[in-house]
Amino acid sequence: AQSVTQLDSHVSVSEGTPVLLRCNYSSSYSPSLFWYVQHPNKGLQLLLKYTSAATLVKGINGFEAEFKKSETSFHLTKPSAHMSDAAEYFCVVSDQVSGNTPLVFGKGTRLSVIA
Amino acid sequence: DVKVTQSSRYLVKRTGEKVFLECVQDMDHENMFWYRQDPGLGLRLIYFSYDVKMKEKGDIPEGYSVSREKKERFSLILESASTNQTSMYLCASSLGALVSQYFGPGTRLLVL
Repeated sequence: AQSVTQLDSHVSVSEGTPVLLRCNYSSSYSPSLFWYVQHPNKGLQLLLKYTSAATLVKGINGFEAEFKKSETSFHLTKPSAHMSDAAEYFCVVSDQVSGNTPLVFGKGTRLSVIA
Repeated sequence: DVKVTQSSRYLVKRTGEKVFLECVQDMDHENMFWYRQDPGLGLRLIYFSYDVKMKEKGDIPEGYSVSREKKERFSLILESASTNQTSMYLCASSLGALVSQYFGPGTRLLVL
């Protein structure tokens, strides 16, 4: 069965500094991995997804993530944080071989950006 | 753009009431999902549906039921609301299992 662990419940960075949100996954087979963002009082929006193509995935708003099979990680990064990046971020895994397996969500990382 | 709408943004109900949460998507997606979101717990899957009149239990189905009479509409029903069902409820839809899900804005339910 697949699972996902977001290693930090809260990350705080200064505006203009790099962002790193960490995610480790567990999956029996070849996973699909996603990062979603949720701004206050809004629904979830897809940032990026990995589905066994290039291991470095670029998403919206300057975010990217790298799939590292040897480390079972899919960390989310951004070179320079902006105030508008303050939100909750969810790492998500889905198991490709299991067919219609629903997505499994991490517990979320709240990103704060300090001016 | 895919649009997923939920019937209410905020809802206040009393213990024991029957509650209906409606979700509609406009992109002919086969798959629809209901989650609840609680602080520190992330999103937990309540029920999902892969086709009309079809439903599958998620991780926390107790106290809930669902209905999917039409492809575009997926309803979550709380047969007898309890205070521990106070939460944010999110609906989502997707074209397939491995593609990303599209989420509605959520319904914040308070049960008194």
